Amino acid sequence: GDSVTQTEGLVTLTKGLPVMLNCTYQTTYSPFLFWYVQHLNEAPKLLLKSSTDNKRTEHQGFYATLHKSSSSFHLQKSSVQLSDSALYFCALSLYRGSALGRLHFGAGTQLIVIP
Amino acid sequence: NSKVIQTPRYLVKGQGQKAKMRCIPEKGHPVVFWYQQNKNNEFKFLINFQNQEVLQQIDMTEKRFSAECPSNSPCSLEIQSSEAGDSALYLCASAGQYAEQFFGPGTRLTVL
Repeated sequence: GDSVTQTEGLVTLTKGLPVMLNCTYQTTYSPFLFWYVQHLNEAPKLLLKSSTDNKRTEHQGFYATLHKSSSSFHLQKSSVQLSDSALYFCALSLYRGSALGRLHFGAGTQLIVIP
Repeated sequence: NSKVIQTPRYLVKGQGQKAKMRCIPEKGHPVVFWYQQNKNNEFKFLINFQNQEVLQQIDMTEKRFSAECPSNSPCSLEIQSSEAGDSALYLCASAGQYAEQFFGPGTRLTVL
């Protein structure tokens, strides 16, 4: 079935270092991938989205490229900040008739940035 | 910033009681989704609507869960007879027709 895998449950980094959070997906349909960020006691907020193969998408210093050949959509940032500490979810959606369907979420990666 | 409104923010019920939560989608968004996020931060899709029609739902909604999105009224999710395992954050999201989902702040349900 359709699914998303995030391999890291917890990533701890020192401020200023680069980060990559892994996301791979499985589907036989045309995918739409998302990264959502969820701070403590808040709702998930959209960070990035893409359905275009091999095109980099960027927002707030984060970037990701959808690679359909490897079914991946890894999230990267060149220099993490303390405020980036949060839960990051990769999610997959598929076209369902006249709309995009439900999100299939990965398990999430907790990013902790230390001074 | 998301303009999805969810009420109440917190809901405390005893086992066997009804629990009802509401969602007002962002203006102009015809698609509404309900998800359950448990204490381990795992998401479970419950149901979604396009306008007033059900698009997808899972069997989990069983017979204890019901949802609707009437025209000109908030969408709602109701649990007929709450169980301890229903304690979770219930998230409503809305979307344009071929667009990303924006989440409301959620209703945190605690079943004692």
